[in-house]
Amino acid sequence: AQSVAQPEDQVNVAEGNPLTVKCTYSVSGNPYLFWYVQYPNRGLQFLLKYITGDNLVKGSYGFEAEFNKSQTSFHLKKPSALVSDSALYFCAVRDMGDYKLSFGAGTTVTVRA
Amino acid sequence: DTAVSQTPKYLVTQMGNDKSIKCEQNLGHDTMYWYKQDSKKFLKIMFSYNNKELIINETVPNRFSPKSPDKAHLNLHINSLELGDSAVYFCASSQIAGAGYEQYFGPGTRLTVT
Repeated sequence: AQSVAQPEDQVNVAEGNPLTVKCTYSVSGNPYLFWYVQYPNRGLQFLLKYITGDNLVKGSYGFEAEFNKSQTSFHLKKPSALVSDSALYFCAVRDMGDYKLSFGAGTTVTVRA
Repeated sequence: DTAVSQTPKYLVTQMGNDKSIKCEQNLGHDTMYWYKQDSKKFLKIMFSYNNKELIINETVPNRFSPKSPDKAHLNLHINSLELGDSAVYFCASSQIAGAGYEQYFGPGTRLTVT
């Protein structure tokens, strides 16, 4: 079985400050990990993924995420948040060999000017 | 160029009616999916087709029936609509099923059952 937890429903930061959105996962094998962003009344947009290799992955719009196998985490980070980063962020996991992608409950990010 | 498109964008209908949502992708992907996003924004996989073969069939009422006429299209038909079917339905596609391929989502269809 696979699952994802996003422990924070909401994250509030000031523009220019670092942004972190937390994600932990559970899989029986090796994970494929993904981050998506959803703007109001829009579909999900892919940000980045971890498949294998370097634990630090870089993605769209200046976002990056660090895979930590010992802590089963895949936190999303941005060094300097923008107001336009305000959106709903989803972490997702797929166990190797599984077709299904399991999503977390989402974290709403609000960046204030 | 819209990669994954859905029609209609909004669908308002009465309980008991039958409705369909259409999805098309022009990415050349082999795999397509239907998701349901409820009012709390929780996303749940419903179905997936890989090259016209059903590979994911989650526990959903059998009033929901997917159909894939070819690998670029995946439609969702819903019979005898109920109030609880109100949600946003997203279509998505990926290059192949499983593995490390990301999914590309359509804009969603907001279904309201009155």
